[in-house]
This record gives sequence, structure tokens and C-alpha cells, in this order.
Amino acid sequence: SQQGEEDPQALSIQEGENATMNCSYKTSINNLQWYRQNSGRGLVHLILIRSNEREKHSGRLRVTLDTSKKSSSLLITASRAADTASYFCATVPPLNYQLIWGAGTKLIIKP
Amino acid sequence: NAGVTQTPKFRVLKTGQSMTLLCAQDMNHEYMYWYRQDPGMGLRLIHYSVGEGTTAKGEVPDGYNVSRLKKQNFLLGLESAAPSQTSVYFCASSRTGSEQFFGPGTRLTVL
Repeated sequence: SQQGEEDPQALSIQEGENATMNCSYKTSINNLQWYRQNSGRGLVHLILIRSNEREKHSGRLRVTLDTSKKSSSLLITASRAADTASYFCATVPPLNYQLIWGAGTKLIIKP
Repeated sequence: NAGVTQTPKFRVLKTGQSMTLLCAQDMNHEYMYWYRQDPGMGLRLIHYSVGEGTTAKGEVPDGYNVSRLKKQNFLLGLESAAPSQTSVYFCASSRTGSEQFFGPGTRLTVL
């Protein structure tokens, strides 16, 4: 069953603006990951944050994790048209190697 | 490095027909996964493998079988296709069982 729930389901912003997506999950985790999926393509791993980390950066991406609230956020700064895609969070429970996926946030960057 | 490849890319079947989807990875990964993705949903795990010669059921295994005779290949079989199996199928592999690398997907339609 799906554990992660992304919010919002869809987001449309102007190029150059920042985009924030949220993910909530239900059980304890070893780590949480964010993936991007361009239309009709496979998923691409963006960033992994471990349960003992609170924030992580990678280029224009910033991920936060609040294990007390069982939630994570993905911030994309200075958005570009190429950022148009669906973004998924996935959690890895302790002592497990299966990812549990959310339904995704569809991000549209308007030029 | 080709990464993760899937064949075929597209397939149309009639109800009751059988077929095999092939996934190959050249990264020497131990873990391999088969997912299906339906419109507006995240990924659902069908079967997975933690090493050559091993397979295990995921969230939605009914109607599918898998084999992992060689470390680099993971085959997904549909014994008697049903319209409910119309979906996009993704294969993924992982070195650690955490971060996953995805293939481009197979779009299957069952009439």
C-alpha cells in the first residue's frame, strides 16, 4: 500500500519562481527519497535524506525532513521549464529494501 | 553503460495471450524490481529480487510471474493477460536496496 502522500497533487508556477512540494508518510523510515519523472519516461533519483538528517541540498534542490511530523518537503529554487515533471517521494522502512511510493505531484513551469 | 534497459517498449495483447517483459542492467546491481504505474498513481511493486536466483512478491503480484536466472536480467511474465493489466511497467535496479535506477518503461495494452 502507498505510504507517501504528496501535496499538492498539481502545481503550476511561473518560470523563475520557487516550487515547494510536500510528502507525508505513516510509519518509521530509514530514509526518504525524491524522484522526478518526465512525461512518458522512467523515474530519476534526485536526492536521499536519512532519518537522522533534517535538511539536504543538491544544486537548486533543498529537502527537509521532520520525522516527528512524518513529513518532508522538496523545494526547487529558480524554476526552469525543464523542471516540468511529476515528482514522487518514496520511503524506505527500517531493515527493508522496498520503496513505498506516493502518488506524486505534477509540476508545470509556465514560461 | 546502458544502465537499465527494457524490451519491448510497446506491446498490444489480446485477452488471454501471454508475454514476457525483459529487464537488463549492466551495473552489477543485486536488487531488481518490477513496478506498474497506472494513470494518476504512484508505482506499485509487483515482484522483486534481492539477488540471482531469488524472487519475492510485492504489493500486486497476482497474474504475474518473474525469474532471475542471471544477475543482470529480471523477467516479468504475464501468463494470461487481462485488460486490468493494461499499464506502464517499469523495471528498476539498486546496488544497496535503497536508491533505485529505472528503465524507460514498457507500455502494455490488453484488449
